[in-house]
Amino acid sequence: DQQVKQNSPSLSVQEGRISILNCDYTNSMFDYFLWYKKYPAEGPTFLISISSIKDKNEDGRFTVFLNKSAKHLSLHIVPSQPGDSAVYFCAAFYSGYSTLTFGKGTMLLVSP
Amino acid sequence: DAMVIQNPRYQVTQFGKPVTLSCSQTLNHNVMYWYQQKSSQAPKLLFHYYDKDFNNEADTPDNFQSRRPNTSFCFLDIRSPGLGDAAMYLCATRTGTGANQPQHFGDGTRLSIL
Repeated sequence: DQQVKQNSPSLSVQEGRISILNCDYTNSMFDYFLWYKKYPAEGPTFLISISSIKDKNEDGRFTVFLNKSAKHLSLHIVPSQPGDSAVYFCAAFYSGYSTLTFGKGTMLLVSP
Repeated sequence: DAMVIQNPRYQVTQFGKPVTLSCSQTLNHNVMYWYQQKSSQAPKLLFHYYDKDFNNEADTPDNFQSRRPNTSFCFLDIRSPGLGDAAMYLCATRTGTGANQPQHFGDGTRLSIL
C-alpha cells in the first residue's frame, strides 16, 4: 500500500516555463515532507522541505505547497532550466520515527 | 566533497554467491540507512541504525543483513543473492531523529546478479 504517491511518471516542460510536480499521501500522521532530486548515476540530493504547520516554503526558484486537508503537496520550479531535468522524489516523515517514505518519483525533462 | 561514499559503484555477483556492499560517511551522523531501489520504484527502506541500535523493516528478507562496526561505516550483506535482488542499493545518513534534518545519500551501488 503506497502511502506516498506520485501519479505522474514523467513531465516535459519548456525552458523558462513553470514545472509543477505533484504528490499525494494517505497517512495523516506525516508531519514533514521533503523533495529530493536525482540525476542518473547519482544518489538523491535534498532539495526543499515543508513542515505540516506551514502551507508554503520557498527557496529561490523552488516552492513547495502543502494542502493538508487534501493530503497533497506540489513542487513548483520557476523558471525551469534544462539543468533541472532529473527525477524528483517526494518523501514524507512523521515525528518519532526516523525513516522516510518515498514516492516512485517523477522524471522532469526541461527542453531548451 | 563526497560525504557518503558507497563502494563499489557497480557490483556483479553470481546467483547464490554472498556479496557485501559498503558505505562510509564523513558527516559523523548517528543514523545510517540502507535502501533498495528497483527501476521506476520508490526507494524501499531495508533497515537503519540509530547509533548501534539496529532497526529492521518488517518486510526485509532474512537474506539481507547489516553491520555497523563504527560510526563511519555500514555494510549490507546479501547472503544468497537471487535474481530478484538485482537493484540499486542506496546508503543514506542523517543526524538525530529531528524531522528537519534531511537524509544525505551516497551515489549507490548497482548490483547485478548473473
